Amino acid sequence: DAKTTQPNSMESNEEEPVHLPCNHSTISGTDYIHWYRQLPSQGPEYVIHGLTSNVNNRMASLAIAEDRKSSTLILHRATLRDAAVYYCIRTGGGTSYGKLTFGQGTILTVHP
Amino acid sequence: DTEVTQTPKHLVMGMTNKKSLKCEQHMGHRAMYWYKQKAKKPPELMFVYSYEKLSINESVPSRFSPECPNSSLLNLHLHALQPEDSALYLCASSPFDRGFFSPLHFGNGTRLTVT
Repeated sequence: DAKTTQPNSMESNEEEPVHLPCNHSTISGTDYIHWYRQLPSQGPEYVIHGLTSNVNNRMASLAIAEDRKSSTLILHRATLRDAAVYYCIRTGGGTSYGKLTFGQGTILTVHP
Repeated sequence: DTEVTQTPKHLVMGMTNKKSLKCEQHMGHRAMYWYKQKAKKPPELMFVYSYEKLSINESVPSRFSPECPNSSLLNLHLHALQPEDSALYLCASSPFDRGFFSPLHFGNGTRLTVT
């Protein structure tokens, strides 16, 4: 049980920002939010992760809501190469400790 | 190119065959993972090794047998598979420097077809 909810699909135009939402309303205080993406015919690729604060790296930004019940992955300027399935994943303790469990993800289409 | 190498890229096997999938990483990572991915579905966790010891087995049938001979290598031995086991098998590794919260590095998988 991935315990995150994402839209099935989203579309964007090239060079425009993309905001990919994720709902994790049952998140606990020690759960991290991870984002991975999977390009066609490739294995998943780590994008970013965070706990409470917003995070930035060379690939994307992660904005985490103050109550931590939702987060948004931000691609600042989409390129055709960003077309992929994006997975939002909770990792935490208890019986799910050590398990990176993928949900259905969001299929991102980028138009030229 | 990925730093996690999986061989072979494609494998076709009969239901009575025995075969093995191989995964290798030279990043000094101490945790390694097997995932199974059916077409148009998300990856499903099968096994996790940390420091060469099996940490997690997600109730995988015994016809799948993992092995971690050293910190760089991970094998998945296959025996008496069924056609429904046809899938993309993904290997991943992580540095484990922050325990299980360290990011995973995935290979591009072995496409297995069971006939």
